[in-house]
Amino acid sequence: DQQVKQNSPSLSVQEGRISILNCDYTNSMFDYFLWYKKYPAEGPTFLISISSIKDKNEDGRFTVFLNKSAKHLSLHIVPSQPGDSAVYFCAASGDALNFGKGTSLLVTP
Amino acid sequence: GAGVSQSPRYKVAKRGQDVALRCDPISGHVSLFWYQQALGQGPEFLTYFQNEAQLDKSGLPSDRFFAERPEGSVSTLKIQRTQQEDSAVYLCASSSTGTSGGNEQFFGPGTRLTVL
Repeated sequence: DQQVKQNSPSLSVQEGRISILNCDYTNSMFDYFLWYKKYPAEGPTFLISISSIKDKNEDGRFTVFLNKSAKHLSLHIVPSQPGDSAVYFCAASGDALNFGKGTSLLVTP
Repeated sequence: GAGVSQSPRYKVAKRGQDVALRCDPISGHVSLFWYQQALGQGPEFLTYFQNEAQLDKSGLPSDRFFAERPEGSVSTLKIQRTQQEDSAVYLCASSSTGTSGGNEQFFGPGTRLTVL
């Protein structure tokens, strides 16, 4: 029973444009949400997080938005760069991290 | 290095063999987690240690899976009588504090297990 869902398996964006990755969750008890980035043959690396008491967190080119009423969060990357090409996992923190299936982002020059 | 390390990076086992996967967390990190990532899926929680205490093993798929962290640092995930469905990447992560509050978990590169 997937509590965190990333419904877009892949996304292709042109360099310089905005990338928007979406995530939905079902458990209203989650108190933190995190985004991880994963390159092939490497472990996931932490990107940005947001507490459930906030609706926005920004770090450089990365911004995460949280809509608690819709149980939805999104990661915005602007401007997108080719080095951003990776798989992005949304995770929700309860007792452990609950991950979505990931969205593969391709940023083309 | 300063990161989480795992060994071996790749393991091929014949069905029925026992395997042991090792995780060296970041020095001083209290919490250690094991995840299983099947192809095309996100990591799924297996078990969690705080120091040497195994506080949650609810994600272990069967009693063939066993994890330990006897001295509160290095951890070993053991899978007995491996089956083909055990084929996955096994990820270890560590954190400086506990599970709550969105504390960042630092992941190792994983061990890719293939059971033939």
